[in-house]
Amino acid sequence: EAQVTQNPRYLITVTGKKLTVTCSQNMNHEYMSWYRQDPGLGLRQIYYSMNVEVTDKGDVPEGYKVSRKEKRNFPLILESPSPNQTSLYFCASSGELGDRGNNEQYFGPGTRLTVT
Amino acid sequence: QKEVEQDPGPLSVPEGAIVSLNCTYSNSAFQYFMWYRQYSRKGPELLMYTYSSGNKEDGRFTAQVDKSSKYISLFIRDSQPSDSATYLCAMRTQGAQKLVFGQGTRLTINP
Repeated sequence: EAQVTQNPRYLITVTGKKLTVTCSQNMNHEYMSWYRQDPGLGLRQIYYSMNVEVTDKGDVPEGYKVSRKEKRNFPLILESPSPNQTSLYFCASSGELGDRGNNEQYFGPGTRLTVT
Repeated sequence: QKEVEQDPGPLSVPEGAIVSLNCTYSNSAFQYFMWYRQYSRKGPELLMYTYSSGNKEDGRFTAQVDKSSKYISLFIRDSQPSDSATYLCAMRTQGAQKLVFGQGTRLTINP
């Protein structure tokens, strides 16, 4: 089954304690992305990756890091989490978004993070 | 001003009603327009995709794009309780991988 998996699904942590949210896709997609979703703000892109070892900042990258050492995995790292990073996080992947088709980004189930 | 504006609702309608969901945008370079549906505690899933202007129909769902007004709509006919979800519009420019999302509209269909 084609899917994007994220772990953990729920996480409560304290300020400053480093954490990693894993993301993996089994569709051989080149493009992967991390979003955060907050009430009234919608989905905002944190970081994205066009392929292995190619990553770039999205709209809200502060406080986050990513890496893309393998095509299927794209972990999100919070080196020193703060309460304003409490949010719902989604990983997504897609093949190359062509001009006529394949505009679908496949989303993971989400990770709800609470930083106290 | 946000690039894509969407009324967050919530919107509550009786079963069987016609639902209209809308987004406006400011970037005239957007060429690809999508609607995603997100059920509670799930990730968004692509519902419909339209290229440039015009209409597209899929069962009870119709997507409309009016590029001259920078306005897109999603219509749901004969709405069902199973349509209750958050609907997000998304769009991108030609050649771009990045999607720009609206805030999402939370819709409830009451039996």
